[in-house]
Amino acid sequence: AQKVTQAQTEISVVEKEDVTLDCVYETRDTTYYLFWYKQPPSGELVFLIRRNSFDEQNEISGRYSWNFQKSTSSFNFTITASQVVDSAVYFCALYRGGADGLTFGKGTHLIIQP
Amino acid sequence: NAGVTQTPKFQVLKTGQSMTLQCAQDMNHNSMYWYRQDPGMGLRLIYYSASEGTTDKGEVPNGYNVSRLNKREFSLRLESAAPSQTSVYFCASRDGQVNTEAFFGQGTRLTVV
Repeated sequence: AQKVTQAQTEISVVEKEDVTLDCVYETRDTTYYLFWYKQPPSGELVFLIRRNSFDEQNEISGRYSWNFQKSTSSFNFTITASQVVDSAVYFCALYRGGADGLTFGKGTHLIIQP
Repeated sequence: NAGVTQTPKFQVLKTGQSMTLQCAQDMNHNSMYWYRQDPGMGLRLIYYSASEGTTDKGEVPNGYNVSRLNKREFSLRLESAAPSQTSVYFCASRDGQVNTEAFFGQGTRLTVV
């Protein structure tokens, strides 16, 4: 069975601080895919990034960066110089391939205070 | 570019009533999904359809039925609503290729009283 754990239920930081959201996953598959989604207060789910299990290269996109480490089964997400607009619930998800859907973590509610 | 469209956006039902949540996608995706989101629980898969004419149970299928009417449409039916089904429901679709993300509708907020 697959499992995604986001141990941080809620994080609150002051604007311009850096913040890291943790994601730990469990799977027996050797090939799998990891995702991060953002859910702003308006409620929609916005895709942020996808990473394949055979590609451990870290990625930076503007103020966002992702650190994928297979050795620790982690796929952490860092926001640099946070902004109030980053306030949202962030979900990490795992996909094993095939017809199954994504397995989601319970989400981390990120609050950026001005 | 509509993407994934869900109707209705809000609904209040009385216990025992039935209703169907509609979902349509215009991206020619093969796979479609229904999730529910509850506070502190993340999103949990109810049912999915890998292709037109096929449906399978997900993690929490009890109390629901689905129909993949055609490639575009995937509906979720509650035959006899219960308060435990109060939730936000999301429909999603994916290209059949493994290396692609899911696209989500805007959600349906359902309250069963």
